[in-house]
This record gives sequence, structure tokens and C-alpha cells, in this order.
Amino acid sequence: DAGITQSPRHKVTETGTPVTLRCHQTENHRYMYWYRQDPGHGLRLIHYSYGVKDTDKGEVSDGYSVSRSKTEDFLLTLESATSSQTSVYFCAISEPGQGKQFFGPGTRLTVL
Amino acid sequence: AQKITQTQPGMFVQEKEAVTLDCTYDTSDPSYGLFWYKQPSSGEMIFLIYQGSYDQQNATEGRYSLNFQKARKSANLVISASQLGDSAMYFCAMRDPYGGATNKLIFGTGTLLAVQP
Repeated sequence: DAGITQSPRHKVTETGTPVTLRCHQTENHRYMYWYRQDPGHGLRLIHYSYGVKDTDKGEVSDGYSVSRSKTEDFLLTLESATSSQTSVYFCAISEPGQGKQFFGPGTRLTVL
Repeated sequence: AQKITQTQPGMFVQEKEAVTLDCTYDTSDPSYGLFWYKQPSSGEMIFLIYQGSYDQQNATEGRYSLNFQKARKSANLVISASQLGDSAMYFCAMRDPYGGATNKLIFGTGTLLAVQP
């Protein structure tokens, strides 16, 4: 199994508070991604990174920011959490080529 | 716009029987990749199988095979000899052909498969 961890695994927070989710990999993969999973929508891409300090927006990036200061870590920040950001968040990694992505275990975030 | 469609929200299959999960895709680019992932009730996303748009043969991985019909833009997953452990959500995904080398994936909404004893 690919070495990908996410922290925290579960979080409950209140509307308006900042939240940071961490993704850590031990595979030295170049690309990293953040997705959110909601019923009826499958997985939707929030942001992705194609190298250290190189990031770009995905399909549903509003209200989220990311940072990647090291190859192994990719942080997702909700500057001011809203109830619509209650979701399961997955981190994924891949290498150039076929495009197969390996996923972390997910973080369940509840915004009250 | 690129899109993946999974029209079966849920399916039942008897243990030991084969089942086909449907997936259609929409792209005008000749170069793309198609993936299937399994998500059991525990929540993790497990890679099952990959098909490249230029691959001549249908992909197979153990009991999983991908019925790739390029002209119809379909990439159905076939699971042979279903087992109780196959009960899960299944997602079809396409590598965004306009994503450059970034390997971004576009996912369908998933099919929930229940295997009955």
C-alpha cells in the first residue's frame, strides 16, 4: 500500500473557524491532490500540486487554499469553515505516466 | 466538457454470479485513461483496473475486466464470480485529457453494489 496518511481523521468544528487538513506521503510522488466526496457527486477535485510550491485550482476550489512546502506534505486550509464544507476529504498522490492515483484514508469533517 | 456517467445508483447480484457496472465517458481528445476504484464501507479508495485509450486489448486484473468499447465511449467493469466482499461503492474515473501531465481525474457518481448470499 502507498504510504499516505491524513490528519486528523475526524474533526468537528464550528462555522467561521479556520481548519487545516494535512496529507503526508512517504512515496516521493510528484503530484498530490485534494478531493471532497459528497453523496450524489462522487469525488470532486479541490486543488492539486505538481511540485513543491506549485499548486493549482480544481473544480471546487472556492473557500479552500493549499500549500506544499515539502514534497511529502500537502495542506488543505478552510479559511472560514461553512456548513457546506461538511464532507469527507481525500488526499491522493500519483506519478507522471499512466495517472493511477493512490488515496489516503480520508478525513471526515463536520462543520456545525 | 469531459464527463463520466454512471447510470446505476445501485445494483444487486447473487454470490458467484458475474455483474457488469456501466460507465460512459465524454471527451473529444483521442488520448485518455480510464480507471475503476472500489470503496468498501470502511471508506478507503482502492484502485482496481486501468485502460488506456490506445490499448488494443481490454484490461483484466484477476476477477475484474474492463469492457472497453471506444466507439460507444463506454468502459464497463465486469466482476466475475462475485463474492460477498465485493459489496462496495464502485467509481469510474477518467484522466482529464486536458489536464496536461498532471493526471487529474474526473469521477463518476458511483454505483453501490450489494452481493447477496
